[in-house]
Amino acid sequence: GAGVSQSPSNKVTEKGKDVELRCDPISGHTALYWYRQSLGQGLEFLIYFQGNSAPDKSGLPSDRFSAERTGGSVSTLTIQRTQQEDSAVYLCASSLDGTGFSPLHFGNGTRLTVT
Amino acid sequence: AQSVTQLGSHVSVSEGALVLLRCNYSSSVPPYLFWYVQYPNQGLQLLLKYTSAATLVKGINGFEAEFKKSETSFHLTKPSAHMSDAAEYFCAVIANTGNQFYFGTGTSLTVIP
Repeated sequence: GAGVSQSPSNKVTEKGKDVELRCDPISGHTALYWYRQSLGQGLEFLIYFQGNSAPDKSGLPSDRFSAERTGGSVSTLTIQRTQQEDSAVYLCASSLDGTGFSPLHFGNGTRLTVT
Repeated sequence: AQSVTQLGSHVSVSEGALVLLRCNYSSSVPPYLFWYVQYPNQGLQLLLKYTSAATLVKGINGFEAEFKKSETSFHLTKPSAHMSDAAEYFCAVIANTGNQFYFGTGTSLTVIP
């Protein structure tokens, strides 16, 4: 597709359940980023992929969060045993090569609500 | 390490008035700087970027920003606000040798008719 695609756009889940969020980056983009956006908190970096490897996982808030990327394309962010504080908009972005010269292209996000 | 500070989480301007959104950065190496805009229920869109060429950068929708190294600033301006400019604006920085983008906390722009 022409842009970064994220699914689902909205997800409501019960506390304690696991959720999977999907990101399809722009074709040919080697770098992929996950961010979390909470009201008034700006964008919180979660993880960065270059190809299928994740050289920077420093932003994952706990071991309940994990992410993978396969085929240098689709990425999945998994949150296990969800908690209410996980409620946020999860944004995925891709860039051509992960350098500052290539800006980020964002998807529309997945709004996660944990009840 | 790199970081950005956006002064003013909320800015209100009258339609037709000057828009000024402030961004100050911190970087131990030459930075690349970006402004993104987020309209309601949408992802972030690139407005403009500075990558060490001209210090005055022009972007989409009439916005521009000036890189001032002496002030470590990259403020976003538009001469005349339009109702459609109402959105959330984010400043971001990355080291020119890095791969980690650091975002500010955002400024919500309201345009008053």
